Amino acid sequence: NAGVTQTPKFQVLKTGQSMTLQCAQDMNHEYMSWYRQDPGMGLRLIHYSVGAGITDQGEVPNGYNVSRSTTEDFPLRLLSAAPSQTSVYFCASSYGGHGVDEQYFGPGTRLTVT
Amino acid sequence: RKEVEQDPGPFNVPEGATVAFNCTYSNSASQSFFWYRQDCRKEPKLLMSVYSSGNEDGRFTAQLNRASQYISLLIRDSKLSDSATYLCVVSPYGGSQGNLIFGKGTKLSVKP
Repeated sequence: NAGVTQTPKFQVLKTGQSMTLQCAQDMNHEYMSWYRQDPGMGLRLIHYSVGAGITDQGEVPNGYNVSRSTTEDFPLRLLSAAPSQTSVYFCASSYGGHGVDEQYFGPGTRLTVT
Repeated sequence: RKEVEQDPGPFNVPEGATVAFNCTYSNSASQSFFWYRQDCRKEPKLLMSVYSSGNEDGRFTAQLNRASQYISLLIRDSKLSDSATYLCVVSPYGGSQGNLIFGKGTKLSVKP
């Protein structure tokens, strides 16, 4: 199993540009989530999904959209990038249809918005 | 009071030392507790779950004190490879509801 994969690993955007961060898992996990990690802030939940077709907002959803059309994929879209979205983004998945099981994280995407 | 609080460190210890990390959580209804490890510029990975009776995995021991809403992680005989940031993680609700809350992490540096 590849586990949780994320692309790209690094990205530089200009303010106002849009892009999609890709996340895929091959473990047939129901629960998937996106976090951002900033220095001194810890991991903060952006959006999550408890199964295909179901998504919900986390702690910091503004400026981001998600969809979950398949069990495997959970892309994160930045609608109009802002410097405040400069961060490391982690995708995670877990077996159960909720967020309290062991989370398996992808390697992260380092995003810089100039 | 923040939901999950940890001493940010850094903890600088020599090889072979015993080091303890503490974590407090604010929601008394929390049911699930974990310690994750995050190496520099890497993703977090589960180190161990924390059970009410306490649990041990080799050199690592985790304890939970529900009355004080306090979790601890003890590392004995520290190795250079233990250098990382240790994240305290708590579920905010009972049972299977809700999402995990991550502490900001405690950085450990083990020196030769």
